[in-house]
Amino acid sequence: SQQGEEDPQALSIQEGENATMNCSYKTSINNLQWYRQNSGRGLVHLILIRSNEREKHSGRLRVTLDTSKKSSSLLITASRAADTASYFCATVPLYGAQKLVFGQGTRLTINP
Amino acid sequence: NAGVTQTPKFQVLKTGQSMTLQCAQDMNHNSMYWYRQDPGMGLRLIYYSASEGTTDKGEVPNGYNVSRLNKREFSLRLESAAPSQTSVYFCASRGGWYQETQYFGPGTRLLVL
Repeated sequence: SQQGEEDPQALSIQEGENATMNCSYKTSINNLQWYRQNSGRGLVHLILIRSNEREKHSGRLRVTLDTSKKSSSLLITASRAADTASYFCATVPLYGAQKLVFGQGTRLTINP
Repeated sequence: NAGVTQTPKFQVLKTGQSMTLQCAQDMNHNSMYWYRQDPGMGLRLIYYSASEGTTDKGEVPNGYNVSRLNKREFSLRLESAAPSQTSVYFCASRGGWYQETQYFGPGTRLLVL
């Protein structure tokens, strides 16, 4: 079974607005990563946040991590049409092999 | 520098047929992974290879076998395809223990009739 649940499953906003996606997970983690998948393509890594970090920024992306609630959020500011894609969170368990466990994703649509 | 490449891009099989999905990476990465993605779902790990010469089962290994041919190549074999194996298959690689990002190939779309 998959580790994470993402919320919402689908999100549609106007260009220029901010988009927020949430991810919850079940077990203790080493780190949490966010990936983007454009339609019909492979996944592309966006950002990684470690279990001892609370917030991280990369360009228009802001990721937060709350290990007490086992949840993370991805904020995309000033959205663009090119941000239209599916976004997945993936966790690396604290113990055991370095394997990614994916959530089911949020499909983001940016309307021009 | 092509990154991770997968062949074929698309394949149609009949139930019971076999095939091998090929994956290669040119980044000198130690670890390689095979995932499947079903409609509306995230990726599920089928098998992985932490380093050349080792392979381990992931979440959904039944019906599949893998071979880590060398450091560059990691193949996935379906011995007797079933309709439930209709999916998009992604290969990924990762550099080493402290390099946690995975790099994904473009995927192979498989339809089993």
